[in-house]
Amino acid sequence: QSVLTQPPSVSAAPGQRVTISCSGSSSNIGNNYVSWYQQLPGTAPKLLIHENNKRPSGIPDRLSGSKSGTSATLGITGLQTGDEGDYYCAAWDTRLSAVIFGGGTKLTVL
Amino acid sequence: QVQLQESGPGLVKPSQTLSLICTVSGGAISSGANYWSWIRQRPGKGLEWIGYIFHSGSTYYNPSLKSRVTISGDTSKNQFSLKLSSVTAADTAVYYCARGQWDLLPGDDWYFDLWGRGTLVTVSS
Repeated sequence: QSVLTQPPSVSAAPGQRVTISCSGSSSNIGNNYVSWYQQLPGTAPKLLIHENNKRPSGIPDRLSGSKSGTSATLGITGLQTGDEGDYYCAAWDTRLSAVIFGGGTKLTVL
Repeated sequence: QVQLQESGPGLVKPSQTLSLICTVSGGAISSGANYWSWIRQRPGKGLEWIGYIFHSGSTYYNPSLKSRVTISGDTSKNQFSLKLSSVTAADTAVYYCARGQWDLLPGDDWYFDLWGRGTLVTVSS
């Protein structure tokens, strides 16, 4: 079981908005920054968000990140079938002294 | 642009040492404040960070794997490598090399902005 808790799956229709939550504690999300990754089937993870809400160059603004207390959220608007895949949150954990990842959320675009 | 590529045996026997190499192209591993990292993904599971080597040559390992991990670098070949000793079936995974970034803001801001394609390593006799 991961230290960062994500829902196993979420789904929404094309064009709709979806949010993926990531719940942690004061030793990770509460006092450090969150990054988000997308893993499309059969491919390597790709950075979507870092520093809670910053998008690297090339990531569209229909993706957004936020953090409140010990939880973080990834939002995706204007869903496309190409968004289907697994999404992971990550953060440094001060108690474990390691970067930790959430268990991942499978996004299905109906 | 910078690219990473993992290579190494796809099959390792139990109790032996897993050895992988990551070849970096398009940029030198000895330059910039990058944390050249290894991350693995066990079948059907999430991601697990193994550790990094900094451009200075200093290393840091995930405490959960520290006793079995060695990461080293070869600047002449622009490569860094992973050795994981005393492997068991639980070490079967896709192993990724990645470029890590870290800022102390306050609070630690860790993220991985470039990844290799990954290589599957199976531990089996």
